[in-house]
Amino acid sequence: KAGVTQTPRYLIKTRGQQVTLSCSPISGHRSVSWYQQTPGQGLQFLFEYFSETQRNKGNFPGRFSGRQFSNSRSEMNVSTLELGDSALYLCASSSTSGGSGELFFGEGSRLTVL
Amino acid sequence: AQRVTQPEKLLSVFKGAPVELKCNYSYSGSPELFWYVQYSRQRLQLLLRHISRESIKGFTADLNKGETSFHLKKPFAQEEDSAMYYCALRLANFGNEKLTFGTGTRLTIIP
Repeated sequence: KAGVTQTPRYLIKTRGQQVTLSCSPISGHRSVSWYQQTPGQGLQFLFEYFSETQRNKGNFPGRFSGRQFSNSRSEMNVSTLELGDSALYLCASSSTSGGSGELFFGEGSRLTVL
Repeated sequence: AQRVTQPEKLLSVFKGAPVELKCNYSYSGSPELFWYVQYSRQRLQLLLRHISRESIKGFTADLNKGETSFHLKKPFAQEEDSAMYYCALRLANFGNEKLTFGTGTRLTIIP
């Protein structure tokens, strides 16, 4: 089985712009979660989607949003980028409907905001 | 709110020596605890979870609810154990996959 695929792997944006990141989960996985990883804060939960519904949301401003499509692929969007949004954004998928904690991570999308 | 603390950012251990990576959590309900590992140039992956009570790659971890700890242990370190280790907590019975991660411990095994 192919692993979790994230695109793009690297991107550079300037303040005020917006960005969309994409995640394709492992085939058959219906849960997709997003995390922000920074040196200072570590891994922080952004949101989780299951069957196109947001199941949980972390403590991030409304500039961070996401969605999931019927094929379980997910996108996250960050609008009005700030310097502090520079981070590695990790996507993870899971196969269990009720949650298990066993997440399969992608390689991440590294966002640099200038 | 739940919190996971890994007090050591860096830990160096000689090959063959015992390893213990510390993890403490704060949550009054029923948590599920996990250890995730990231080897160099690899993806973050699950190492073990407390409910399975199994040994993976020689590592074990016991959930101590009295001390709210979930320390990761291995009796004899190997060079391939060098990696970044994250302790994580999930709220049981909440029906979602939200994990709260600690800030991680970078383990280096000295040959």
